Amino acid sequence: AQSVTQLGSHVSVSEGALVLLRCNYSSSVPPYLFWYVQYPNQGLQLLLKYTTGATLVKGINGFEAEFKKSETSFHLTKPSAHMSDAAEYFCAVSDSLGQGAQKLVFGQGTRLTINP
Amino acid sequence: KAGVTQTPRYLIKTRGQQVTLSCSPISGHRSVSWYQQTPGQGLQFLFEYFSETQRNKGNFPGRFSGRQFSNSRSEMNVSTLELGDSALYLCASRQGLEETQYFGPGTRLLVL
Repeated sequence: AQSVTQLGSHVSVSEGALVLLRCNYSSSVPPYLFWYVQYPNQGLQLLLKYTTGATLVKGINGFEAEFKKSETSFHLTKPSAHMSDAAEYFCAVSDSLGQGAQKLVFGQGTRLTINP
Repeated sequence: KAGVTQTPRYLIKTRGQQVTLSCSPISGHRSVSWYQQTPGQGLQFLFEYFSETQRNKGNFPGRFSGRQFSNSRSEMNVSTLELGDSALYLCASRQGLEETQYFGPGTRLLVL
């Protein structure tokens, strides 16, 4: 079964600093990987995804992530943090269940705090 | 295109009652999935529907059920509510066999 581990339930950075949120996955097949962001009292918004092809994936709001098969990692980065980036971030792997059925398996989430 | 919509946004129920939540997917999306989000268990898959058929179900008791209508709208029902059912219930839709799921704002259920 697929699984996702996010290292660090809470990350705090200063405004303008590098953001690095870590995600490691376990998958028996080539994975489809996602990062979602959740703002308070809202649903999940897709930041970026990796399916096939280029291993460096660019998303919205200046975020990007690199798929590293050898390390089973899909870490999320942003060069310069902005106050509006404060939110909870979820890494997910797609678990295909046959005949087109699918579910997302999520990590526990990382709460990102931005210090002024 | 309008996004995934969920109604109601907030609900308060008491133990033993039942509740029905509604989800309207993005236009053209025929697959709808439901997830439960709690502080303790995180995000957990409930079930997925496609063309009015349940394709898969997560590890939840039979009190949790759902259905999908011919217009792809979906409902989930929880019967005999327990305190532990208090959660944010998220609906997501996707187009055909595409991998990406798009989420609605959720319904926050509080069971007293």
